[in-house]
Amino acid sequence: DQQVKQNSPSLSVQEGRISILNCDYTNSMFDYFLWYKKYPAEGPTFLISISSIKDKNEDGRFTVFLNKSAKHLSLHIVPSQPGDSAVYFCAATRHSNAGNMLTFGGGTRLMVKP
Amino acid sequence: DAGITQSPRHKVTETGTPVTLRCHQTENHRYMYWYRQDPGHGLRLIHYSYGVKDTDKGEVSDGYSVSRSKTEDFLLTLESATSSQTSVYFCAIRTDGSGNTIYFGEGSWLTVV
Repeated sequence: DQQVKQNSPSLSVQEGRISILNCDYTNSMFDYFLWYKKYPAEGPTFLISISSIKDKNEDGRFTVFLNKSAKHLSLHIVPSQPGDSAVYFCAATRHSNAGNMLTFGGGTRLMVKP
Repeated sequence: DAGITQSPRHKVTETGTPVTLRCHQTENHRYMYWYRQDPGHGLRLIHYSYGVKDTDKGEVSDGYSVSRSKTEDFLLTLESATSSQTSVYFCAIRTDGSGNTIYFGEGSWLTVV
C-alpha cells in the first residue's frame, strides 16, 4: 500500500512553459512534504519543502502547493528549462517522527523540450 | 555536497554471496539512512541509524543487515544476495539543523547475477 503516489510516470513540457508535477498521499499523519530532483547516475538532491501549516512555499522558479483536505501537493516550475529535465520525487514525513523517515512516491520523469 | 561517500559505486556479484556497501560521512551527523531505488517504487527505506550501535528497520529490511560501530560509517550488508536485490542503493544523512530534510550520497549500483 503506497502512502505517497505520483500517478504520472512522465511529463513532457516545452521550454518556457509551466511544469506541474502532482503527488497524492493517504496518511493523514504526514505533516511535512519535500520534493527531490534526480539526474541519471546521481543521488537525489533536495529541491523544496512545505510544512502542513502552510499551503504554499516558493523558491525562485519552484513553488509547492499543498491541499491538505485533498491530501494533494503539486510542484510548479515556471518557466521550465531544459536543465530541469530529471526525475522528481515527492516525499512525506511526520515532523514528530524522531527518525525522520521519509516516504517517497514513485517519481515523475520530466522532459523539457527546447 | 553533504560529505557522503559511498563505496563501492558499482558492483556485480553472484547469487548467494554476501555483499557489504559502505557509507562514510565526514561531519559526525547522528542520523544515517539506507534507501534502495527501483523503477515504479521510488526510494524505499531499508534501515536507518540514530547513533553508534543504534539502528532500526525500515520498510524493506528483509535480507539486509546494518552496522554502525563508528559515527562516520554506516554499513549495509546483503547476507546472501538475490536477484531481487539488484538495485541502486543510496545512503543519506540528516544534518543538524536541517529539520526534516535528508541529503543523499551518489549511489551504489549493485547487480546480482
